Amino acid sequence: DAGVIQSPRHEVTEMGQEVTLRCKPISGHDYLFWYRQTMMRGLELLIYFNNNVPIDDSGMPEDRFSAKMPNASFSTLKIQPSEPRDSAVYFCASQAEPNTQYFGPGTRLTVL
Amino acid sequence: DAKTTQPNSMESNEEEPVHLPCNHSTISGTDYIHWYRQLPSQGPEYVIHGLTSNVNNRMASLAIAEDRKSSTLILHRATLRDAAVYYCILRDSDNFNKFYFGSGTKLNVKP
Repeated sequence: DAGVIQSPRHEVTEMGQEVTLRCKPISGHDYLFWYRQTMMRGLELLIYFNNNVPIDDSGMPEDRFSAKMPNASFSTLKIQPSEPRDSAVYFCASQAEPNTQYFGPGTRLTVL
Repeated sequence: DAKTTQPNSMESNEEEPVHLPCNHSTISGTDYIHWYRQLPSQGPEYVIHGLTSNVNNRMASLAIAEDRKSSTLILHRATLRDAAVYYCILRDSDNFNKFYFGSGTKLNVKP
């Protein structure tokens, strides 16, 4: 099993540009989570899906952030327009049973 | 949200046991205690979880106080590869999929 796959691993963009982060969960996992990690705020849950349906998006910072899961094997997190304060490492995680979330390697986003 | 308190950092010698403490005085009766760790430049990974009884797996042991207000993650023989940030997390009984990661304990293992 390849584990959770995220792309790109690194993204550098300029303020105002649109950024799309991608995630492929582990096959058979019906939960998918997006987290953001910064030095100041630590690891924060942004949104999670169950069977491709968004269940809780209370952690999404503002309307500039949106997430979709068009099918069981793919999810995107989009930031439009991006701002320097969005610079962080974004992790995707998937889960089959309630106790274990499997995290991807993360995408390091830098907004200049 | 039930909170956890952990020391910011700890240090251990290689091949010695490590006891990582966690306080969770506001834990509710149905909250599970989870431990994850994050190696440098990687995503967090699951270590162990428990409810009331002590638990063992190939990675570690989890000792839970009788009143459940604290727990201890035990690494029986620390290796250099165990240097990581260790997070103690309470699984929210109202929404069991929401994990709240605190600041964790940064473990340094000396050769």
